[in-house]
Amino acid sequence: ETGVTQTPRHLVMGMTNKKSLKCEQHLGHNAMYWYKQSAKKPLELMFVYSLEERVENNSVPSRFSPECPNSSHLFLHLHTLQPEDSALYLCASSQTPPGTSGGAGALGEQFFGPGTRLTVL
Amino acid sequence: AQSVTQPDIHITVSEGASLELRCNYSYGATPYLFWYVQSPGQGLQLLLKYFSGDTLVQGIKGFEAEFKRSQSSFNLRKPSVHWSDAAEYFCAVVFTGGGNKLTFGTGTQLKVEL
Repeated sequence: ETGVTQTPRHLVMGMTNKKSLKCEQHLGHNAMYWYKQSAKKPLELMFVYSLEERVENNSVPSRFSPECPNSSHLFLHLHTLQPEDSALYLCASSQTPPGTSGGAGALGEQFFGPGTRLTVL
Repeated sequence: AQSVTQPDIHITVSEGASLELRCNYSYGATPYLFWYVQSPGQGLQLLLKYFSGDTLVQGIKGFEAEFKRSQSSFNLRKPSVHWSDAAEYFCAVVFTGGGNKLTFGTGTQLKVEL
């Protein structure tokens, strides 16, 4: 495997189900991201992990719970979702240069996975 | 307020024709600017980026973009479009001093007619 992979590619779940999305990056990066892509809306940044610590949480409802057990893996645990949560969930990774304090050089170019198409019934 | 605007939701061009996709931003300083492309069923791929320096930036797949400070724009161009360029294109911006997050436009869907 190369780049950023996501599983499953498609997921249909009921509002009472619990499921997890998985992301794995094979690039040796130290930062990982979850985005939500809904129709006719800009990509929304949900969570950012840098060096396995969550550094960003954009007011995401608690029914979405991220987990980053190591620098290569990122999960998004889902429970009691709503139909409006149906979307494409994209994972990305980047390499943040050590010691940088800001700017896009610190952000690093982001590499995206193919996404998980989630449908909540 | 800081924002990114892609005025065109859909654009259709003939194969071999030139292409320009528009991107405007609202910000008091110069942000960092990116263009990404998303093919059906795929994630986003970076086409090019601008941080500083030469305002005409060359990217992959024959794309280029020009930063115009006076117009707060970063339009994407290609002199001759190929059918394989049909995809959705996203302009993205990092507003420096705002947490260094990528803020995306709503995207422009490009259709190429043969």
